[in-house]
Amino acid sequence: DSGVTQTPKHLITATGQRVTLRCSPRSGDLSVYWYQQSLDQGLQFLIQYYNGEERAKGNILERFSAQQFPDLHSELNLSSLELGDSALYFCASSLYPDTQYFGPGTRLTVL
Amino acid sequence: QQQVKQSPQSLIVQKGGISIINCAYENTAFDYFPWYQQFPGKGPALLIAIRPDVSEKKEGRFTISFNKSAKQFSLHIMDSQPGDSATYFCAASSSGNTGKLIFGQGTTLQVKP
Repeated sequence: DSGVTQTPKHLITATGQRVTLRCSPRSGDLSVYWYQQSLDQGLQFLIQYYNGEERAKGNILERFSAQQFPDLHSELNLSSLELGDSALYFCASSLYPDTQYFGPGTRLTVL
Repeated sequence: QQQVKQSPQSLIVQKGGISIINCAYENTAFDYFPWYQQFPGKGPALLIAIRPDVSEKKEGRFTISFNKSAKQFSLHIMDSQPGDSATYFCAASSSGNTGKLIFGQGTTLQVKP
């Protein structure tokens, strides 16, 4: 158990809908990273927050957004969902920039 | 320049054998190279990591070999066990770049009893 929690574990929704994925980092970790894992693209970095502020952006679509709250939990919002958004979404947290601990992931299925 | 290339895509090894997975990178700004292990239905778990100031790091049966001039690094699993059967990802990051990880495509390892 990495100490990073993610909810929900599974999410099934329809195209065009909006969903919110939640992540609670390990105690003491200030950074939260979001990654998308799909069969064709592998593990791709989406976005990073550090102590409530956006720190880095990767291959994140404009339909996706994230935020980190004062209690350091983070939410990833995915809107206008498409079939191709079906993937595993992982949150990772770290105290230092390099050592990242991953949560169990949220499996998103868009029908 | 941001890519990390990993090979092979899949690997079958007999119990007790040595598993070797290779990665290559282009970006010379990368200065942290972790390996993650992922079991089905689980998140990636940090296995072992290395920085470019050393050429080898060993933790138990797992060893990273690092060749800075060739911009390559590899994971060796000695005495491979069926419980090592998982997907392995190499990754790279730059400490001056927030620490976001660039992952290889992954290697699915099967260790046969």
